[in-house]
Amino acid sequence: EPEVTQTPSHQVTQMGQEVILRCVPISNHLYFYWYRQILGQKVEFLVSFYNNEISEKSEIFDDQFSVERPDGSNFTLKIRSTKLEDSAMYFCASTGDNYGYTFGSGTRLTVV
Amino acid sequence: AQRVTQPEKLLSVFKGAPVELKCNYSYSGSPELFWYVQYSRQRLQLLLRHISRESIKGFTADLNKGETSFHLKKPFAQEEDSAMYYCALSGNSGYALNFGKGTSLLVTP
Repeated sequence: EPEVTQTPSHQVTQMGQEVILRCVPISNHLYFYWYRQILGQKVEFLVSFYNNEISEKSEIFDDQFSVERPDGSNFTLKIRSTKLEDSAMYFCASTGDNYGYTFGSGTRLTVV
Repeated sequence: AQRVTQPEKLLSVFKGAPVELKCNYSYSGSPELFWYVQYSRQRLQLLLRHISRESIKGFTADLNKGETSFHLKKPFAQEEDSAMYYCALSGNSGYALNFGKGTSLLVTP
């Protein structure tokens, strides 16, 4: 069964540094997403991406965040100048046109 | 505005007992509703979606538009059902999922 792949599984970074989280969505999917889950809290939507542009974003997704699909397979989330409160599990997801949202296994980001 | 409410943070039942995880929603249009399950240290997995009206691992969920609910039910809980369960809502295909806070189900022998 096709999977959404995320790397790395765990990233530790110093406050103020930039991080890039990587995702390889399912190849024939059209919509790509990033979600985050702060420890003990609900899964929160960050951004959706369709046709090479952001289609929807939450209030969490401010200028600190950016997404990119640099080639035909990767989908990245960049967090500039990380803060302690950015520590969370970040999930990538993709879907076609049939509501088949598929999530990756997540990247645990720890900002120290 | 969209909202998904899962009133129970933790639900503990004995093996073999029926289980119902509650989910209520608010949405002005016609929502698409899902249940996701997250086993310990694993990824979020789609369990059910209301449009397919299927039963997965013995779980069912019926959309009740009058009560704006999409409760997840299983007649006989198993220990392997212990996990975190999230109810989620989407407005349209391709739109973001709005998750509830989740209910941790613990099935004890």
